[in-house]
Amino acid sequence: KAGVTQTPRYLIKTRGQQVTLSCSPISGHRSVSWYQQTPGQGLQFLFEYFSETQRNKGNFPGRFSGRQFSNSRSEMNVSTLELGDSALYLCASRPFTSGGSSSYNEQFFGPGTRLTVL
Amino acid sequence: SQQGEEDPQALSIQEGENATMNCSYKTSINNLQWYRQNSGRGLVHLILIRSNEREKHSGRLRVTLDTSKKSSSLLITASRAADTASYFCATWAYSGGGADGLTFGKGTHLIIQP
Repeated sequence: KAGVTQTPRYLIKTRGQQVTLSCSPISGHRSVSWYQQTPGQGLQFLFEYFSETQRNKGNFPGRFSGRQFSNSRSEMNVSTLELGDSALYLCASRPFTSGGSSSYNEQFFGPGTRLTVL
Repeated sequence: SQQGEEDPQALSIQEGENATMNCSYKTSINNLQWYRQNSGRGLVHLILIRSNEREKHSGRLRVTLDTSKKSSSLLITASRAADTASYFCATWAYSGGGADGLTFGKGTHLIIQP
């Protein structure tokens, strides 16, 4: 199976702009999660989508949003970019089954999108 | 917030030596996982140990878990240059609505000197 793919791999934006990042999960994986990685805060959970619905959201402002399509592909959007949004954004998928004990096993990560805000 | 804290933050050893890194976590867990990240790229899952397990092996990796101390260790034996990477422990953070994603420690940066 092909792994998780993310596009674009690198992005440079200026403050105040908005950005959309894309993630295609492993075939058959219905859950997609997004994480932000910065040198200061480390890896932080942004949100998770399953069946086109946001299941959970981390402690991030409303400028960070996402969505999931019927084919499980997901996008995340950051509006009104700030310098502090510069980070590596990682997408991860898993074969989530609601209520299943195996649901909380490993996640499969994509290569990430490196966002630089100038 | 960070659930796990890895120790040490950085480790430099000679090729062929063993590398040990530790992780502490704060809340009760179903399982604990270790991931590797090469130079700011994506995370690769290494090994998962369940809360009812004390030790697990996978190739050159050995993981231990002590739930009474809320700690885990990852041992890499016979290290290779290709093992140079950052290593993170991770646990699922739970709330009333289910798991809120994986919570990661700050990681141990391992450098294998040739």
